[in-house]
Amino acid sequence: QQQVKQSPQSLIVQKGGISIINCAYENTAFDYFPWYQQFPGKGPALLIAIRPDVSEKKEGRFTISFNKSAKQFSLHIMDSQPGDSATYFCAASVWGGSSNTGKLIFGQGTTLQVKP
Amino acid sequence: ETGVTQTPRHLVMGMTNKKSLKCEQHLGHNAMYWYKQSAKKPLELMFVYNFKEQTENNSVPSRFSPECPNSSHLFLHLHTLQPEDSALYLCASSTQGSGNQPQHFGDGTRLSIL
Repeated sequence: QQQVKQSPQSLIVQKGGISIINCAYENTAFDYFPWYQQFPGKGPALLIAIRPDVSEKKEGRFTISFNKSAKQFSLHIMDSQPGDSATYFCAASVWGGSSNTGKLIFGQGTTLQVKP
Repeated sequence: ETGVTQTPRHLVMGMTNKKSLKCEQHLGHNAMYWYKQSAKKPLELMFVYNFKEQTENNSVPSRFSPECPNSSHLFLHLHTLQPEDSALYLCASSTQGSGNQPQHFGDGTRLSIL
């Protein structure tokens, strides 16, 4: 129930196309859904995040769509560029517990390649 | 420059060695984390520290021993590791408080166990 399932495992998109990565979760207690971007040799960096009180959030070319009833959320990258080639991780946070810190549960990751 | 610095970046050690990984954050955060990243697997949370106190141990084997002397520094002491412990070890930090605060990651230590 703590898992976050991410798909696809890898994705190849032409420059200018739309990249779509999907995630699904089971635990309805999750209340924070970030996406992280990781380049080779670097740590993950927060890209964009959403709370369950909204269905969509957009920042530049990156959009999160959130479907609370289906317990799914997705990342859309519009006008994909070669510089977007990286590994993308979705995550979900369970707030509370003994740590009182959002404990992030990560998906398996999607390796995106944008071809010029 | 991520604000979270990890050293060393690469480490090769034998199974009987003892070594330590270091993490330092310059962001004024008060929560710090250790994660393990293995190929084709989700990031695995290992330990969480809040205000220098360990608040989460995610069933990590005792051959991994964390230490948090202050809110800016975090160590992971390693001894008698196994080949399956070869992975990228990531440190992260965040602000503890109301709401979910983003975690900022270092670039990791690539650990190889011979």
